[in-house]
Amino acid sequence: DAGVTQSPTHLIKTRGQHVTLRCSPISGHKSVSWYQQVLGQGPQFIFQYYEKEERGRGNFPDRFSARQFPNYSSELNVNALLLGDSALYLCASSLSHRKETQYFGPGTRLLVL
Amino acid sequence: LAKTTQPISMDSYEGQEVNITCSHNNIATNDYITWYQQFPSQGPRFIIQGYKTKVTNEVASLFIPADRKSSTLSLPRVSLSDTAVYYCLVGGTDKLIFGTGTRLQVFP
Repeated sequence: DAGVTQSPTHLIKTRGQHVTLRCSPISGHKSVSWYQQVLGQGPQFIFQYYEKEERGRGNFPDRFSARQFPNYSSELNVNALLLGDSALYLCASSLSHRKETQYFGPGTRLLVL
Repeated sequence: LAKTTQPISMDSYEGQEVNITCSHNNIATNDYITWYQQFPSQGPRFIIQGYKTKVTNEVASLFIPADRKSSTLSLPRVSLSDTAVYYCLVGGTDKLIFGTGTRLQVFP
């Protein structure tokens, strides 16, 4: 079975640009969560979506947004990129939004210059 | 959500058993304890999850005392490929709160 997939694997942007990251959950999983991991730190929760609705949001500015599609895949959008947005962006999927094990994808490495 | 405290780093040798202890004094009644493993530039990988007593799977064991204020991840007979960062998390599994983790280095 395919695990969580993310695209692209790597991305280079400049300050002020916007970026869209994509995630496909494990087949049958209906919940997708996004995390940001800065070098040397643990992942930080950004969003959780379940059945196309936002179920949770971490302490991130409004420049960060996301959505979930009918096939349960998801996009994370970041506007007006800052140097500090450079990080590994991780997507995790789970069966539902309640007390289910989350399985992570390989991440998208974003570098903002 | 409960805050966790775990050692920043640990060293071991191949073939040894490694025990990583995590403190979570403020764990709530409904909280689970979950451990993830992460290699550089990869997503965290689920290792094991438990609520109380002992849980064992093909990879590790998780020991949780009766008061649930701490937990110990046990990795039997580690190999070089177990070199990674190990995260202890407590809470509902809908919103994972990661700390800085324990960096395990396994030497030959």
